[in-house]
Amino acid sequence: EPEVTQTPSHQVTQMGQEVILRCVPISNHLYFYWYRQILGQKVEFLVSFYNNEISEKSEIFDDQFSVERPDGSNFTLKIRSTKLEDSAMYFCASNGGQVTIANYGYTFGSGTRLTVV
Amino acid sequence: AQSVTQLGSHVSVSEGALVLLRCNYSSSVPPYLFWYVQYPNQGLQLLLKYTSAATLVKGINGFEAEFKKSETSFHLTKPSAHMSDAAEYFCAVTSNQGGKLIFGQGTELSVKP
Repeated sequence: EPEVTQTPSHQVTQMGQEVILRCVPISNHLYFYWYRQILGQKVEFLVSFYNNEISEKSEIFDDQFSVERPDGSNFTLKIRSTKLEDSAMYFCASNGGQVTIANYGYTFGSGTRLTVV
Repeated sequence: AQSVTQLGSHVSVSEGALVLLRCNYSSSVPPYLFWYVQYPNQGLQLLLKYTSAATLVKGINGFEAEFKKSETSFHLTKPSAHMSDAAEYFCAVTSNQGGKLIFGQGTELSVKP
């Protein structure tokens, strides 16, 4: 079964530093997402991306966040100046639209655990 | 706006007992509904989904859920709990094929021997 791949699995960074979280969605999927999960809390939507642009973003996704699909395969989340409260598990997800939702739902990666110190 | 409410942040059952995890949703349009399971330090794995076909949905690992429009519910059940079912379970809703998933708070399932 196709997978969504995220790297790295764990990243530790100093407050104020920039981080880039990387994701390789399933190759024929059309919709891409980033979610985050602060330890012990629910999974929160950050941003969705379709047709090479942001289709929706949450209040969490402020100016310090950006997403990019630079080469047609990778999907990245950049946090420009990290804060302690950015420490969380970040999940990438994708889906291919109606057919894949009916068959597979949304496919999530295993996540990147970001620790800001 | 859509929302999901999972009743009970923690459910404990004995091995072999019925598992019932509750999920109620709010949506102004026909929803797509999902249950995901998360094992410790792992990602989200799809258990099952409702996408406007059969209202009783069977998933992996013996789980099933029934969509009840009149009750706006999508409760997850399993007839007989296994120790390996201990995990966090998330109910989620979306309204269209490309839309964001809205997650509930999660229910941690513990299984006692």
